[in-house]
Amino acid sequence: DTGVSQNPRHKITKRGQNVTFRCDPISEHNRLYWYRQTLGQGPEFLTYFQNEAQLEKSRLLSDRFSAERPKGSFSTLEIQRTEQGDSAMYLCASSQGHGVGQPQHFGDGTRLSIL
Amino acid sequence: GIQVEQSPPDLILQEGANSTLRCNFSDSVNNLQWFHQNPWGQLINLFYIPSGTKQNGRLSATTVATERYSLLYISSSQTTDSGVYFCAVEKTGGKLIFGQGTELSVKP
Repeated sequence: DTGVSQNPRHKITKRGQNVTFRCDPISEHNRLYWYRQTLGQGPEFLTYFQNEAQLEKSRLLSDRFSAERPKGSFSTLEIQRTEQGDSAMYLCASSQGHGVGQPQHFGDGTRLSIL
Repeated sequence: GIQVEQSPPDLILQEGANSTLRCNFSDSVNNLQWFHQNPWGQLINLFYIPSGTKQNGRLSATTVATERYSLLYISSSQTTDSGVYFCAVEKTGGKLIFGQGTELSVKP
C-alpha cells in the first residue's frame, strides 16, 4: 500500500536548531498539504502545493518556515531557528485535485519536540 | 472564515454501547471528511461525505448539507474505537478546516 509517507516519525532538537521534514505523497496525487497539530487541538492548515506550485500559505507559516516541492513529487518543510512553540505534530496530506470527489489522505506525521 | 464545531467534546462509553457525534459548520462546503485519530496520532480516513449517508461496518455517517451538519454513528462500540474523532470541511481551495474533535473512551 503506497500511502502518504513522512520522515522522520519523531524529531527531538534543541531550541535554535534547524529541522527538515520530508513527505512523499500518494504517487498519482498532484496536491500536497502541510498541517500542524498541537496538543488537544485539531490540525491547522499551513500550506499546500499543486504540482510544484505553492498556492497558499497560512499566516501561521512565519518567515522561519519554508516548504518546497521541487519536482511536484515529494515535499520538504524546513523550520529555521526552532522555538519552543514549534513543538507539534506536523502532518502531510495529499489528494488528486480538490473539491467535490477528492478526499485528502494523511501520513502518520512527524512529531517535533524542542528542548 | 468558516467555523466547525463538534459535540460532545468528550464521551465515555461502555463497550457495546452506541453513540452519535455531531459536526456543525457555518457555511456551505465542497467537502466533508470524518477522521479517527488513534492513540499513536495516526489520522485514519473514515468517511468522505459532503452530502448523503454512507455506512462502513459499525460506522455510518450522514451529512445534511442544506442544514450544515454531519453526524457520525458508532454502533456496538469496541475498545479499539477509542481516540479522537475529527470532522473537517473544505470550502474553497482545498485546505481542510478541522473541528476541535470529540475524544471517545470506550471502557471494557
